[in-house]
Amino acid sequence: DGGITQSPKYLFRKEGQNVTLSCEQNLNHDAMYWYRQDPGQGLRLIYYSQIVNDFQKGDIAEGYSVSREKKESFPLTVTSAQKNPTAFYLCAVAPFGEQFFGPGTRLTVL
Amino acid sequence: AQSVTQLDSQVPVFEEAPVELRCNYSSSVSVYLFWYVQYPNQGLQLLLKYLSGSTLVKGINGFEAEFNKSQTSFHLRKPSVHISDTAEYFCAVRSRGQGAQKLVFGQGTRLTINP
Repeated sequence: DGGITQSPKYLFRKEGQNVTLSCEQNLNHDAMYWYRQDPGQGLRLIYYSQIVNDFQKGDIAEGYSVSREKKESFPLTVTSAQKNPTAFYLCAVAPFGEQFFGPGTRLTVL
Repeated sequence: AQSVTQLDSQVPVFEEAPVELRCNYSSSVSVYLFWYVQYPNQGLQLLLKYLSGSTLVKGINGFEAEFNKSQTSFHLRKPSVHISDTAEYFCAVRSRGQGAQKLVFGQGTRLTINP
């Protein structure tokens, strides 16, 4: 973190609702990533973006959507089509090969 | 494509004892290698990385790792652990090629330090 902000830290959602997770960075890096973390499964890539107005699906994009209208922002929407949305979501930026992570958002579906 | 296997899901160790967390990878191309640490309810923090050069890499908090190309391993070690090292540790790889810098992560190893 330190330059990567994710909000909110905790988020509760009712089934059938869409919800948007925020990721903002002031590091001036082009590449940004969204991961999902579940216990015992490591991190799985949802979407990534290498430049403004362009993004690519990762390994588990179904039920998610993103936008990249500004270099510093890469919001993730968890739609009602995502069947198991309860998880810890991590945003990352990648300046030179390694990735730097935000503090994460824990989403719970009630 | 790459894959990463962390051979131990949990490692309990007594304080001040040495520890080794094992990581093996599979890739058809040359890779960069990383170790990250995650404390409860926080993001991941980079511990160390291997990009090129010396195969013994030193990182933060007294950790080091050795890249072994023939055994496709990148094990993490610390000679004497502290209670504060209790966390989850992730090994990751990415290809050296141009283009998307996608990381592939292992499933994590939970390190527990007992007094």
